[in-house]
Amino acid sequence: QLQLQESGPGLVKPSENLSLTCIASGGSISSTSYYWGWIRQAPGRGLEYIGSIYYRGNTYYNPSLKSRLTISVDTSENQFSLKLSSVTATDTAVYYCARHSYNWSDSFDHWGQGTLVTVSS
Amino acid sequence: DIQMTQSPSSLSASVGDRVTITCRASRSISTHLNWYQQQPGKAPKLLIYSASTLPSGVPSRFSARGSGTDFSLTISSLQPEDFATYYCQQSYSTLTFGGGTKVEIK
Repeated sequence: QLQLQESGPGLVKPSENLSLTCIASGGSISSTSYYWGWIRQAPGRGLEYIGSIYYRGNTYYNPSLKSRLTISVDTSENQFSLKLSSVTATDTAVYYCARHSYNWSDSFDHWGQGTLVTVSS
Repeated sequence: DIQMTQSPSSLSASVGDRVTITCRASRSISTHLNWYQQQPGKAPKLLIYSASTLPSGVPSRFSARGSGTDFSLTISSLQPEDFATYYCQQSYSTLTFGGGTKVEIK
């Protein structure tokens, strides 16, 4: 059974970069059937799509974050990563990684448990 | 961006009740609509994809319908584990989620 686990700093200073990694186990990132995505949820708020990546490196970014966003993939380590630059307090959120199933109407059918990132000095 | 509006934002119901949540898109999205359930402190779980298809393992008391701009999710007989927040998500263009509907115990 596929499991996804986010990792990274829980506290980031304003104007710095937020970097997270999602490690997949029980399934391969190199599957041709899926993208791999990031979604975030500010405290007490709804869900916001960040972006997705295919194992070959093709990316799809939310235009609202595109200028600050880089998503990369490392198939040898079966993981993918998120970097968000120049963060502010509004980037404080629980960040989830998820399997993005484009054959299932671009839905997210497996999720990590999420990791809280707080932007504060 | 396509805006997704859910109603109500919250509701109170009892075990065994039939509950319906609606989701409206700001423009037509055909059937590019998915539903998720989120328990407090947990990651969302996919309930429905392509507007009406249940993934394997999702109980049959969940059903959904709709196309174009108007969609609904119905729980035929509310169970204790169904008290959660439900989100719709469109996949017609840049992926966006609705604001959520919290189903609380009456």
